[in-house]
Amino acid sequence: AQSVAQPEDQVNVAEGNPLTVKCTYSVSGNPYLFWYVQYPNRGLQFLLKYITGDNLVKGSYGFEAEFNKSQTSFHLKKPSALVSDSALYFCAVRDIRDDKIIFGKGTRLHILP
Amino acid sequence: IAGITQAPTSQILAAGRRMTLRCTQDMRHNAMYWYRQDLGLGLRLIHYSNTAGTTGKGEVPDGYSVSRANTDDFPLTLASAVPSQTSVYFCASSDSNRGQPNTGELFFGEGSRLTVL
Repeated sequence: AQSVAQPEDQVNVAEGNPLTVKCTYSVSGNPYLFWYVQYPNRGLQFLLKYITGDNLVKGSYGFEAEFNKSQTSFHLKKPSALVSDSALYFCAVRDIRDDKIIFGKGTRLHILP
Repeated sequence: IAGITQAPTSQILAAGRRMTLRCTQDMRHNAMYWYRQDLGLGLRLIHYSNTAGTTGKGEVPDGYSVSRANTDDFPLTLASAVPSQTSVYFCASSDSNRGQPNTGELFFGEGSRLTVL
């Protein structure tokens, strides 16, 4: 069965600094990987996905993620953080043998002004 | 454009009562999902459906049932609610090409907050 680990419950970054939110995964076969963001009292919103191709994926709001097959990681990054980036971020993996999509426990990102 | 509509938004329920959470999508997506979100546990998959007429169990299916009679609706039923089912429930859908790996992202509803006393 597939699984996702987000090792940090919370990440604090000063505004203007680069940010990284970590994600590692386990899945049989080729992974389909996703990042989502959740603002307070809202549903999750899609940020970006890796299916195949270039290991660096660009998504919404200036976010990007780097797929690393040897380390089974898919870390979310942004070159310069904004206070408005403060939210809860979820990594997810899809098993291509069925359509199950499994999420990590989430990482709360605090951008400090 | 509605996307995914969940109802009710919030509900307080006595233990032992039956409850159905409704989910409707207007995007004609093949796949639909139910998750529960609990503090410190993230989102956990309860049940899912690849297409109308089929359903599958997720990570935490016990105590829940679903049906997928048509493309648009995917209700989640708690036959006899227990306090441990107090949670925020999210319905989601995804575009899926029959016979091909589903590479589509999920679209989420705004959630249903359920409290079981």
